Amino acid sequence: RKEVEQDPGPFNVPEGATVAFNCTYSNSASQSFFWYRQDCRKEPKLLMSVYSSGNEDGRFTAQLNRASQYISLLIRDSKLSDSATYLCVVNNVRSNYQLIWGAGTKLIIKP
Amino acid sequence: EPEVTQTPSHQVTQMGQEVILRCVPISNHLYFYWYRQILGQKVEFLVSFYNNEISEKSEIFDDQFSVERPDGSNFTLKIRSTKLEDSAMYFCASANRAAGANVLTFGAGSRLTVL
Repeated sequence: RKEVEQDPGPFNVPEGATVAFNCTYSNSASQSFFWYRQDCRKEPKLLMSVYSSGNEDGRFTAQLNRASQYISLLIRDSKLSDSATYLCVVNNVRSNYQLIWGAGTKLIIKP
Repeated sequence: EPEVTQTPSHQVTQMGQEVILRCVPISNHLYFYWYRQILGQKVEFLVSFYNNEISEKSEIFDDQFSVERPDGSNFTLKIRSTKLEDSAMYFCASANRAAGANVLTFGAGSRLTVL
């Protein structure tokens, strides 16, 4: 099983719709979880950290399900500018500094 | 908004040549990283640097790679003898103590093409 696994997509979604995707992680001892977004040929940018109680930032909601070992990202009222690859990132429990990156889920918002 | 800056944005080199990629992290950050991303693949950790020394490195970071912080502001990645498979985007990142070592700000990347 991959350490961090994501559906590669692409998810093709009409503007204004709600879209959600999950990411599963293999190590139950993982403590830190993040969503980054990456535009084509650009650097990853932190979208949000994921907290145990779930957290919301505007149109974005992140959830953590420790029992099933997945995190989710929900985007409401999607905009054309939300088109990007969303990277799930989890701390490496064997390391103080390393993060484990998912391969990303590609999202395409259509007008 | 403070940013991590990287130079060059794109470098083309011949196999076997030495390459130095430069980064200026955010000034009050204490943790520095190099990551790479081969086109179409996932982001991979290379090395972390804290308190003027390497704190961790991955299996990718072999003897051909080295890092330096020569003057307190620049953070460089050197590849001594480049191979074709070193072609990738190299991202520098930094983090501060308050945000935690895992909350990273990335530079725009240096694209390395080895011919």
